[in-house]
Parts: sequence; C-alpha cells; structure tokens
Amino acid sequence: AQRVTQPEKLLSVFKGAPVELKCNYSYSGSPELFWYVQYSRQRLQLLLRHISRESIKGFTADLNKGETSFHLKKPFAQEEDSAMYYCALNSGETSGSRLTFGEGTQLTVNP
Amino acid sequence: DTGVSQDPRHKITKRGQNVTFRCDPISEHNRLYWYRQTLGQGPEFLTYFQNEAQLEKSRLLSDRFSAERPKGSFSTLEIQRTEQGDSAMYLCASSLVVASGRKNEQFFGPGTRLTVL
Repeated sequence: AQRVTQPEKLLSVFKGAPVELKCNYSYSGSPELFWYVQYSRQRLQLLLRHISRESIKGFTADLNKGETSFHLKKPFAQEEDSAMYYCALNSGETSGSRLTFGEGTQLTVNP
Repeated sequence: DTGVSQDPRHKITKRGQNVTFRCDPISEHNRLYWYRQTLGQGPEFLTYFQNEAQLEKSRLLSDRFSAERPKGSFSTLEIQRTEQGDSAMYLCASSLVVASGRKNEQFFGPGTRLTVL
C-alpha cells in the first residue's frame, strides 16, 4: 500500500541553522514525490518536486530510492520558513493522479 | 484572483442535514480533485475528475458522499445525512495534465471548513 511517513510533527530550529524535514515513502511503482508548504492563513502550495530537481527558496530534496526517502533540506533556515510542510506521493497509476500526503511537519524557525 | 476558489469557506450544520460545497478550478485545468483534511493530519484523497468524468473514488468516500463535475468546469461535493465525523476541511485542487507529465502540479483552493454539530 502507498504510504508517506513524516516522523516529526514538530521541528524547531534557530535562524541560520540547517534544517532537515524527513520523509519516507512506501510505493511499489516508480515514485513521483513532492513537498507542499502551507504558510499561516494561506493555502497549500507546491514547494518542489523531485522530477524537476530544482531549488526553491533555498530548499532542496533528493529522492533516495534505496532508503525510500525524500528529505527536505535547507542549509540556513530563515524565520519566513516557519510553516507546515507536507511530503506527498503521486500514488495513482499515472502522473497527475491522486496524492498521498504525510501527516506534516510544523517547522518553527526562532530568531 | 485566477486561483482555485471554493464556496462556502465555512459551513456549520446539524447532524443529519445535507450540505453541498462548490469548487471552481483554474479555468484551463482539465483535472479536479477533492481531499479531506482533519486536524493534525495531512490531506486525504477523496475523488478526482478528468473533465466531466470521475476517474477514481477513494474507499473513504461512503455512499453519503457524491461529487459531480457536470460540464467539466466547476464541481460540487454533496454530503447527505451528515455525521459529526464528517467535520473537516474539504480541499479542492486542479491541475492541467499533459502527456509529458512534467507539469502536473496540483493547485489547491482555500478549503471549506465543515462543522457538524
């Protein structure tokens, strides 16, 4: 069965410190993974996807098929990074199908 | 605002009543999705459409839930005989799915918060 696990519900770091939000997945096919972010009082929005291998707002994520992980990293956290982060897996038969989300990690960056 | 819109933003109802939510996707998007999110959880998939065709329904979607997208544009989600367990945020998303699959980003609406008393 498809499953996304984010082991940390809460993560708190100081400004300028590195941050890593963990995501592990379970999927029998070729995974398509995403990170979504929800800032306070805003809607859910895409942060990055593994296919594009781009860096958004200084965040990167590498798909590790051997460890079935897609951890989100940023070398120097900023206060504006404080938000809820969700890892998601395209769990349908084709791209653009349903997303299976993790439970989310609330990141707080302290000044 | 050209993003996904949902109406109403909040709905309070009594147990046993029927409720209907509306979602207007981004105009050129061919796929529309419904998710449900309860407190402390990530969104859970309910169903999705490609144009007017409903392609998949989750096992979470009981017989009391029905969704339509009659003209391939806006969609409605109806819950009949609401129960307290239906209290949640109902999220709509849309995407433009192309053959290459490289731009299949789902854009989310603000959600409709349902409270069943």
